[in-house]
Amino acid sequence: AQTVTQSQPEMSVQEAETVTLSCTYDTSESDYYLFWYKQPPSRQMILVIRQEAYKQQNATENRFSVNFQKAAKSFSLKISDSQLGDAAMYFCAYRSPRSGGSNYKLTFGKGTLLTVNP
Amino acid sequence: DAGITQSPRHKVTETGTPVTLRCHQTENHRYMYWYRQDPGHGLRLIHYSYGVKDTDKGEVSDGYSVSRSKTEDFLLTLESATSSQTSVYFCAISTGYQSYNEQFFGPGTRLTVL
Repeated sequence: AQTVTQSQPEMSVQEAETVTLSCTYDTSESDYYLFWYKQPPSRQMILVIRQEAYKQQNATENRFSVNFQKAAKSFSLKISDSQLGDAAMYFCAYRSPRSGGSNYKLTFGKGTLLTVNP
Repeated sequence: DAGITQSPRHKVTETGTPVTLRCHQTENHRYMYWYRQDPGHGLRLIHYSYGVKDTDKGEVSDGYSVSRSKTEDFLLTLESATSSQTSVYFCAISTGYQSYNEQFFGPGTRLTVL
């Protein structure tokens, strides 16, 4: 079974600075999908960024980018120019490449609580 | 916003009572999921559905049942609520037609079992 580990329960960053959230995973599959979700105090789960394992290029979405190291099974999230609105719980998630039913389910890490200091 | 609503948004109930949570979607997506979120555990899959009347168990299904009689509605039932089922419950959908099959989540239901 796949597992996802987020080793940093809490992180803090100064406004306008850069922060990196760590995520490692364990899988025997060669292709898969990885996601970062953001959960602000409103509790809504918001997809931040996604990565397909077969793609060498790291995904980028505006101020959010990932450092995907397939051999190391590492998928870290970098937030540049941090803003107060970035304060949230961040979850890393894994999905199997196989289609149908439970193979579409997400396996989540336990989350990292990010605080942004003004 | 993927057109997902959950009801109720908050509920307080007593141990031993039945509880039903509703997830409603407006876009006819095939796959629907119920997760629970607990501190220190992230989100864990309870049950999922891959079509009308087609459901299966997730990793934490004990004490829960589901039903899907219409594409747009996915119901989660706690037959006899226990304090260990106090949690935040999220419904999610995915289309099943795209390579990512990324999931979109409802706003969540906070359930407290006294």
